Amino acid sequence: EIVLTQSPATLSLSPGERATLSCRASQSVSSYLAWYQQKPGQAPRLLIYDASNRATGIPARFSGSGSGTDFTLTISSLEPEDFAVYYCQQRSNWPRYTFGQGTKLEIK
Amino acid sequence: EVQLVESGGGLVQPGRSLRLSCAASGFTFDDYAMHWVRQAPGKGLEWVSGISWNSGSIGYADSVKGRFTISRDNAKNSLYLQMNSLRAEDTALYYCAKEGYCSGGSCYSRWFDPWGQGTLVTVSS
Repeated sequence: EIVLTQSPATLSLSPGERATLSCRASQSVSSYLAWYQQKPGQAPRLLIYDASNRATGIPARFSGSGSGTDFTLTISSLEPEDFAVYYCQQRSNWPRYTFGQGTKLEIK
Repeated sequence: EVQLVESGGGLVQPGRSLRLSCAASGFTFDDYAMHWVRQAPGKGLEWVSGISWNSGSIGYADSVKGRFTISRDNAKNSLYLQMNSLRAEDTALYYCAKEGYCSGGSCYSRWFDPWGQGTLVTVSS
């Protein structure tokens, strides 16, 4: 089973700053990785799919990169509504999916 | 609008059973695989189970295998999760999710979009 490890667990930044979140897979997942955003009391929302493609309606300040085992979610300039928990996800053998443990992005 | 609405959660004693439902609307339900994902209080996301469009392929997380059963009724646009022999560690918010992000006429089958708002299952005596 492929394990996804996210870092850091918590990231404390101020609005306007750049955020860089990491997701590392225990073995190659090619470009088959997604990022989700979850705000308190809400369901997760798809942000990035296939490592680098933004889902519909996701602002351009969100970008994803990476392939193989190392992936990054970057938020170029933090807005107040971006403070949330972010999860990466991959699929190994259908229908088995795994999620990273999450990175909490909090206001400094 | 694509919508998923879960129901059936509640407080249940250890060892008892519960059946969750997920009502889908706004899309052709039998075109898509569906999944259950859970989130224990204050914890991360855990994939629980998935089912193909025609129920021909089904999978479970090791933590629920042998106790939970996923099913669907395409005529009713509904997904189900039968949970037996419940344990305290099954306490969580249970989400249903559609497998397949579609945009601009293309669909990408690996990703979950959208998710329902979840139904809370509490296992306690």
